[in-house]
Amino acid sequence: QSVLTQPPSVSGAPGQRVTISCTGSSSNIGAGYGVHWYQQVPGTAPKLLIYDNTNRPSGVPDRFSGSKSGTSASLAITGLQAEDEADYYCQSYDSSLSGSHVFGGGTKLTVL
Amino acid sequence: EVQLLESGGGLVQPGGSLRLSCAASGFLFSSYAMTWVRRAPGKGLEWVSGISGRGSTSHYAESVKGRFIISRDNSKNTLFLQMNSLRAEDTAVYYCAKDEPLAGDAYSDWGQGTLVTVSS
Repeated sequence: QSVLTQPPSVSGAPGQRVTISCTGSSSNIGAGYGVHWYQQVPGTAPKLLIYDNTNRPSGVPDRFSGSKSGTSASLAITGLQAEDEADYYCQSYDSSLSGSHVFGGGTKLTVL
Repeated sequence: EVQLLESGGGLVQPGGSLRLSCAASGFLFSSYAMTWVRRAPGKGLEWVSGISGRGSTSHYAESVKGRFIISRDNSKNTLFLQMNSLRAEDTAVYYCAKDEPLAGDAYSDWGQGTLVTVSS
């Protein structure tokens, strides 16, 4: 089981808004460590979508946004497009695991 | 342009060893920490190991501690992962990634991955 908990799947129709949650604890997200989000389209390498909770790297559309509160974080995708169908992962640092960076279990987004 | 190119994957028997390489270009390699991440079939991403820019500090996931060794050759812009005592559960695509300190040490760039299959 992952230290960071994500829903296994979410879905939405084109144009809709979806959110993906990432629930941690006081040793990771709740300790103030930044949360990062990655998108992985099947057969390709992961891509950084959001860093340090809310920041988008250049080139990432503003349809993607991140937030954080307490021991949880969320990724929101607005104006869903077919190309957004992918696996999404949150990632942070956990102080209870020596030197460990941790990923959530991943969420499969299906665009209906 | 940052480029990361993994190599060294393949089929190996349980208990065997394999050495992965990641050739880096497009940035000052020695100034950046680097990381190995894997994805097993049907599973999610798993952080495996990380190493500082100078190679003086390294960390490992509990699942590979004592079996895997991360290292780097900054003169050749190359990252390595020596994998010993391999198990079936180590079967995965292994990615190298560049840590970006300006992005909270998120993994800003990734290689295309190399497949490791542990099977008899």
